[in-house]
Amino acid sequence: NAGVTQTPKFRVLKTGQSMTLLCAQDMNHEYMYWYRQDPGMGLRLIHYSVGEGTTAKGEVPDGYNVSRLKKQNFLLGLESAAPSQTSVYFCASSYPRQLHAGANVLTFGAGSRLTVL
Amino acid sequence: AQKITQTQPGMFVQEKEAVTLDCTYDTSDQSYGLFWYKQPSSGEMIFLIYQGSYDEQNATEGRYSLNFQKARKSANLVISASQLGDSAMYFCAMREGRGYGNKLVFGAGTILRVKS
Repeated sequence: NAGVTQTPKFRVLKTGQSMTLLCAQDMNHEYMYWYRQDPGMGLRLIHYSVGEGTTAKGEVPDGYNVSRLKKQNFLLGLESAAPSQTSVYFCASSYPRQLHAGANVLTFGAGSRLTVL
Repeated sequence: AQKITQTQPGMFVQEKEAVTLDCTYDTSDQSYGLFWYKQPSSGEMIFLIYQGSYDEQNATEGRYSLNFQKARKSANLVISASQLGDSAMYFCAMREGRGYGNKLVFGAGTILRVKS
């Protein structure tokens, strides 16, 4: 059981280049998320999706786009990379929240380290 | 405003001793959940423990327990009998409200170092 798989694990870009991070989950989770992790700031939510064909903005969405064409995949795109987007990116997935029931724990991928020069 | 505050950037603990990692949160919702995740140097995010706002008992998972003080809005993680493998970054996170999505808000983290 692979869980949440992110590709690529490492990438170096030049300012202005574009790229796409792919997240795939095999747990049949409805919800998926993209976070970025920066030193001293914890993880911040970029975008999330509550189902196939849906996306929503998180805390820091500027400069990123996402797509959820298939339930198992959630793509994060950078159209014109900037040095401020140098970060470690985490994808996560979960079941929908059940009122007063359980943790609906987010399962994270291993992370993708992106450097923008 | 900060929703999750972890005031200890770094902590040291002697092997086999207990350690408490602080977490305070800010929400006006009645229904919310609090989580702790561990991030070792390898980078993955490992779920440790969960506390729901309506849970009357403090959550426990093996050597981990969550000291939940609702009136003070604190959710401190207690690790008993520390091991060298506990050295890692620890994040407190909150899921709030009944709104769309199950998204978490994270604190800045606390680095824990266990000394032998």
